[in-house]
Amino acid sequence: DAKTTQPPSMDCAEGRAANLPCNHSTISGNEYVYWYRQIHSQGPQYIIHGLKNNETNEMASLIITEDRKSSTLILPHATLRDTAVYYCIVRLGWGGSEKLVFGKGTKLTVNP
Amino acid sequence: DTGVSQDPRHKITKRGQNVTFRCDPISEHNRLYWYRQTLGQGPEFLTYFQNEAQLEKSRLLSDRFSAERPKGSFSTLEIQRTEQGDSAMYLCASSLAAGAGLGRSANFGPGTRLTVT
Repeated sequence: DAKTTQPPSMDCAEGRAANLPCNHSTISGNEYVYWYRQIHSQGPQYIIHGLKNNETNEMASLIITEDRKSSTLILPHATLRDTAVYYCIVRLGWGGSEKLVFGKGTKLTVNP
Repeated sequence: DTGVSQDPRHKITKRGQNVTFRCDPISEHNRLYWYRQTLGQGPEFLTYFQNEAQLEKSRLLSDRFSAERPKGSFSTLEIQRTEQGDSAMYLCASSLAAGAGLGRSANFGPGTRLTVT
């Protein structure tokens, strides 16, 4: 699985958009980008995933660059409850290992 | 709540004792995963089941660790002769085999926090 690089921490004001970057320059053509988050003392929570097109769901939007070497998770209106560690993971959509390889993620702090 | 459940949520044990954790996945999910997370780190994969078959194991899963999923439903993770280095959060996740194009997303449980004294 390709490795990802994320900033260790970010701050965001409540009500503003939070834009979390992730670099995955060695991603292969059949690898998806997944985002999970982990609120303190809870298990990770799936947010969104995508292959090459931008994706949006009720939680967030995922913007993947045309060359697929980086992506951005957007929380459009961050709330205090969005304070968590956000993990960007790259893995095959099918076939290959079943494991998710978590890095250290980005600690997002939403400030009032 | 129909999510993944884990029991117990917290366990304190003395070094050398055996411990067993249980995970109940989402009922229709045929895939079940165990992860371990130490303080300040992301979760690390331990092992994976598809139905009752254990298909993948990490090198982190030493001989003291054993996982089972006897009927393809709930799973247990046992640690024998616990060591202080085993202190961690043990996370279980489940997912449904996805068809082409859907990708895979795992639903995680709340975890069992193990403290070995």
